Amino acid sequence: DAKTTQPNSMESNEEEPVHLPCNHSTISGTDYIHWYRQLPSQGPEYVIHGLTSNVNNRMASLAIAEDRKSSTLILHRATLRDAAVYYCILPTYNNNDMRFGAGTRLTVKP
Amino acid sequence: DSGVTQTPKHLITATGQRVTLRCSPRSGDLSVYWYQQSLDQGLQFLIQYYNGEERAKGNILERFSAQQFPDLHSELNLSSLELGDSALYFCASSVSTSNRAEAFFGQGTRLTVV
Repeated sequence: DAKTTQPNSMESNEEEPVHLPCNHSTISGTDYIHWYRQLPSQGPEYVIHGLTSNVNNRMASLAIAEDRKSSTLILHRATLRDAAVYYCILPTYNNNDMRFGAGTRLTVKP
Repeated sequence: DSGVTQTPKHLITATGQRVTLRCSPRSGDLSVYWYQQSLDQGLQFLIQYYNGEERAKGNILERFSAQQFPDLHSELNLSSLELGDSALYFCASSVSTSNRAEAFFGQGTRLTVV
């Protein structure tokens, strides 16, 4: 399975944009890039996913490098509620099972 | 609300005992995944079922077993419990086994072994 690398932690100020990076240099052509987040005391929550093109939804944007070896999750205006651990994952192609790493713990300062 | 229901929310039991955790997937989802989250290990994938059949196995101990029933709900059985089994157990579901499908997680069952 292709692995991902994320910074352990990041800080942001409230109402500012946040760019969360993820490296996946061994990604294969069939790997989708998924992002999930886990708020304190809650189960993980789907954020966004993509294959090659940049993606936008109501929660965030996903920017995928042209060679697909890295991606960036963009929160356009961080709120205190966005403080969570963010996971970048490449689910297995034929099962969709996800192996979580340590993720990035995002702290949002008021 | 993700649509995935896990029961019970909390469970306290003694070492050596056996417990069953239950998961009802989102309506229409055929694939169910179980994860264990402890403080020192992070989220560990245990096992996956798709439409009643075991599909993938992760770091699941031999003392643990799971199944998915015809109505698609799933149960995770933990036996001969040890103190180290204390953790949050999450269930997730997705519509298919395609890696394009997003997964939806329940709120978890917190198991405490004393």
